[in-house]
Amino acid sequence: QQPVQSPQAVILREGEDAVINCSSSKALYSVHWYRQKHGEAPVFLMILLKGGEQKGHEKISASFNEKKQQSSLYLTASQLSYSGTYFCGTDESGGYQKVTFGTGTKLQVIP
Amino acid sequence: NAGVTQTPKFRVLKTGQSMTLLCAQDMNHEYMYWYRQDPGMGLRLIHYSVGEGTTAKGEVPDGYNVSRLKKQNFLLGLESAAPSQTSVYFCASSYLAGVIKNEQFFGPGTRLTVL
Repeated sequence: QQPVQSPQAVILREGEDAVINCSSSKALYSVHWYRQKHGEAPVFLMILLKGGEQKGHEKISASFNEKKQQSSLYLTASQLSYSGTYFCGTDESGGYQKVTFGTGTKLQVIP
Repeated sequence: NAGVTQTPKFRVLKTGQSMTLLCAQDMNHEYMYWYRQDPGMGLRLIHYSVGEGTTAKGEVPDGYNVSRLKKQNFLLGLESAAPSQTSVYFCASSYLAGVIKNEQFFGPGTRLTVL
């Protein structure tokens, strides 16, 4: 079952902050975040693991609330290069390699 | 290091025709995946493979077949193309590290139109 992302789209001015949320109806082992620029392939941002370990990006942070089955991606002091569609991917198994992606949040940063 | 490559980049098919999409990776990854991406639907998993000679169904496998005869290659076949299969297809690969799912590396995509 696909995780639900919100908002579906957001427009920011350079320097503003944004939060993108991802929620699942099932218990999660980990949450993954990717960014896709128009016409390009998705690119990995970070993984948040059950138990709090985080691997990822130096300028973008995220949280993972295991009890609520939710994750949030925080983009602070946004830059034009942050524009793109952000996807969360949820992992319910902790076993074999399969991640279910959400429908994406389109972020546009304007000057 | 080419990473993940996909062939072809674009293709137009007529309804009922068949074709094979090729994905190749040079990172010695165990896991490979095929996704389709449609507007508003995100990335949906078609089939995946956890190793050479193994394949498994994803969320939307109907109308597609796959093979993983060599570790570095993952083929996606459409036996009888339908307009509903018009989409952008992405291949991805990832490496094994215990039970932790690691980042997936995506290919550039194949844009397929079925008329």
